[in-house]
Order: sequence, then C-alpha cells, then structure tokens
Amino acid sequence: AQTVTQSQPEMSVQEAETVTLSCTYDTSENNYYLFWYKQPPSRQMILVIRQEAYKQQNATENRFSVNFQKAAKSFSLKISDSQLGDTAMYFCAFTGNQFYFGTGTSLTVIP
Amino acid sequence: DTAVSQTPKYLVTQMGNDKSIKCEQNLGHDTMYWYKQDSKKFLKIMFSYNNKELIINETVPNRFSPKSPDKAHLNLHINSLELGDSAVYFCASSLRDRGYQETQYFGPGTRLLVL
Repeated sequence: AQTVTQSQPEMSVQEAETVTLSCTYDTSENNYYLFWYKQPPSRQMILVIRQEAYKQQNATENRFSVNFQKAAKSFSLKISDSQLGDTAMYFCAFTGNQFYFGTGTSLTVIP
Repeated sequence: DTAVSQTPKYLVTQMGNDKSIKCEQNLGHDTMYWYKQDSKKFLKIMFSYNNKELIINETVPNRFSPKSPDKAHLNLHINSLELGDSAVYFCASSLRDRGYQETQYFGPGTRLLVL
C-alpha cells in the first residue's frame, strides 16, 4: 500500500526564521513525483514545489526547498525567512499511478 | 484564463435537497478528480476520471454521482443531501504521463453547507 505520513499536525515559527516540515512515504515504485501544496485560510490549494524521484538534486523555489532522501523515503520542506503569508496548511503528496496526500501540517508564522 | 474553475463557490441548502457542482479545466489535462475536505481539513479523494472513464471510485455513498461529459468537464451531483455532506469540495485535474499522474491543479473549492 502506498501511504504519505506527516507526523507534525501543527507547527509554529517566528517571522524571518527557518522551519522544516516533515514527510515520509511508502511505495515500491522506483519512479514517481513528490509535491508540497499550501492551503492558506482562503482554502485555495497552491503548488509550492515539485520533485521528480529520478532527480537527485533537491528542488528549490525561492524561499522553499526540499530535502529528498529517496532511500529513506523522506521528503521534507524547508521554508527560509518565514513570512506571515506562509501561515497555511501544508500537504505533502506522492504520485505514481494515482495521487496520495498526507494529513497536513498546520503552520503558523508568529510576528 | 482560469485553469480549473468550479461553480458555485458557495452552496447553502436544506437537508434532503439535490444539488450539483460543476467543474471545468482548460489545461488540456486528461484526468479530473473530486475531493472532499472536511472540517479537520483531511483531503479525501472521491472520484477520478481519465479520458471520461471512471478510474477511481472510493467508498462514497451512492447519493454522490459524478458525470464527465468530456475531458474538460467533471460534474458532481448529490442527491438527498445530509448534514454530514457539509464540507469543501475540490475539483482538480492532471495529466497522465508515461503511466504517472503529473502535477494536480485545483479549483477554488465549493463550500457546501447543509442545514
């Protein structure tokens, strides 16, 4: 069975600090994609970052970067220089033949 | 130039009524989805269509019936609405590439409140 686990239901970080959100997954597939989505209070689901499993280089998008450890099946999201607008629910997702979402981590950025 | 659109955005209705939510995507994707997000914010997949063919049909009451008239549209009809149906319903789409589902793009969601 393919699963995605986010073990931190809630996190908080001071503005301008760095925070890391954890995600682990389980699959027997060798090629797949991993994603982080952000859901602010508006409820819109926004793609934050995407990683292809066959690429060893970690993906980065401005202040957002991932630490992809394929052997450990770990895919954490690092947010640098946290901003108030980063306050949101963050979902980790894995896709092979179909999409699987984690249960989410609620991140609060404290002024 | 909206990528994935849903109508309506808000839906308030009485128990027992029948309602529909419409979804359209202009991204040229071949796969569309319906998700339900409850108050705890868990995203639960309900249905998925690939090229108008139902490929995922999770354990959902048969009061929920999806319909895909073409690859760009996926509608959700709900019969005999119940209080527990109150949630945010998201439509999403993606492209199937070499057997894998690519990035999903989501609509803005439809907030359904059943009174």
